[in-house]
Amino acid sequence: AQTVTQSQPEMSVQEAETVTLSCTYDTSESNYYLFWYKQPPSRQMILVIRQEAYKQQNATENRFSVNFQKAAKSFSLKISDSQLGDTAMYFCVLRRDQKLVFGQGTRLTINP
Amino acid sequence: GAVVSQHPSRVICKSGTSVKIECRSLDFQATTMFWYRQFPKQSLMLMATSNEGSKATYEQGVEKDKFLINHASLTLSTLTVTSAHPEDSSFYICSAGRGVYNEQFFGPGTRLTVL
Repeated sequence: AQTVTQSQPEMSVQEAETVTLSCTYDTSESNYYLFWYKQPPSRQMILVIRQEAYKQQNATENRFSVNFQKAAKSFSLKISDSQLGDTAMYFCVLRRDQKLVFGQGTRLTINP
Repeated sequence: GAVVSQHPSRVICKSGTSVKIECRSLDFQATTMFWYRQFPKQSLMLMATSNEGSKATYEQGVEKDKFLINHASLTLSTLTVTSAHPEDSSFYICSAGRGVYNEQFFGPGTRLTVL
């Protein structure tokens, strides 16, 4: 079975601070993709960043970066210089073949 | 690019009626579309995978006679909730696969309330 675990239901930081969201996953496959999606109050799911399991280099997208530890099956998201618009629910997602498996989500609030 | 729309955005219906939700890929063709259900303050659960021109594949525990899925074209998939009951009230989200890696692009969701 494939599972994704996010152990932080809620987090809150001040604007401009750096925050790290944790995620662990379990899969028996060697080739898979990992994603972080955000769901703001509008409920629209937005892709934040993707990581291919066979790539050792951690993915980076502007202020967003990941720490991918394949052996430990860990996939954390770091948001630098956080902005008010980063307030959202963040989901860690594992993809194998076509299907997406979602973690429980972390509700992140950026305070002014 | 890669815009997915859903219609309606919200619907309220009486118990026992059927409701149809449309999912459209506006600027690309999607061989595969996916339907998810999201309860309040919870994660997304995959309900079914819809392939154009063939029967949908349902996840374990999802009643295929309850949630009818039709994927008649490369840009349109529909989810019909038949004989809706209050416990079917939820947020339904579709996604469409695009590209070599079939990356999923999500619609804005449909809030269904069954009275």
